[in-house]
Amino acid sequence: GAVVSQHPSWVICKSGTSVKIECRSLDFQATTMFWYRQFPKQSLMLMATSNEGSKATYEQGVEKDKFLINHASLTLSTLTVTSAHPEDSSFYICSAGLAGGQQYFGPGTRLTVT
Amino acid sequence: AQSVTQPDIHITVSEGASLELRCNYSYGATPYLFWYVQSPGQGLQLLLKYFSGDTLVQGIKGFEAEFKRSQSSFNLRKPSVHWSDAAEYFCAVGPSLKAAGNKLTFGGGTRVLVKP
Repeated sequence: GAVVSQHPSWVICKSGTSVKIECRSLDFQATTMFWYRQFPKQSLMLMATSNEGSKATYEQGVEKDKFLINHASLTLSTLTVTSAHPEDSSFYICSAGLAGGQQYFGPGTRLTVT
Repeated sequence: AQSVTQPDIHITVSEGASLELRCNYSYGATPYLFWYVQSPGQGLQLLLKYFSGDTLVQGIKGFEAEFKRSQSSFNLRKPSVHWSDAAEYFCAVGPSLKAAGNKLTFGGGTRVLVKP
């Protein structure tokens, strides 16, 4: 149980375009999802907390207009990187928070902006 | 502010040998502690967690961790390492509220290399 999927697993886009990453909880409902960014050989950096039906809460220093998060249903949260630039290239990981306080992580999405 | 320190960036261990990964945390209240493992290009898998009770917790894949409040530590151990244990390991701390919205703070990670 508690499986989280992400789509796509990897994406290459041109500078200036937008890309959407989906995070789905497959066998449970997730009222809270988290979005992380991970640079090579580094730890996870929390970008934002996404709550179903309400606006996401962004961590300090994260541009909310650049990283649009939508949590429209209890099983789906999306992260849209708008007007992507090469410095946005990274590994993006989502997780679903459960009532027990732990998080279940998706497999991640590798974004490369050319 | 809460923080997690994993002092060892890399650890190399021979297959069959024991492994111990260190984790120290700074937290203003009773913490909720986790160990996650990440294989290259993958998401994180929960190995074990500690909230309360017995300070020695058992996890998946033969891992265990011991919570020592006096030392603010939550070290991960495995008696005999397998080649498949080569991965990145992350210690994390969160509030002991057991809420879905619990934010986690991650340590910098320890990369484990297993020699044949």
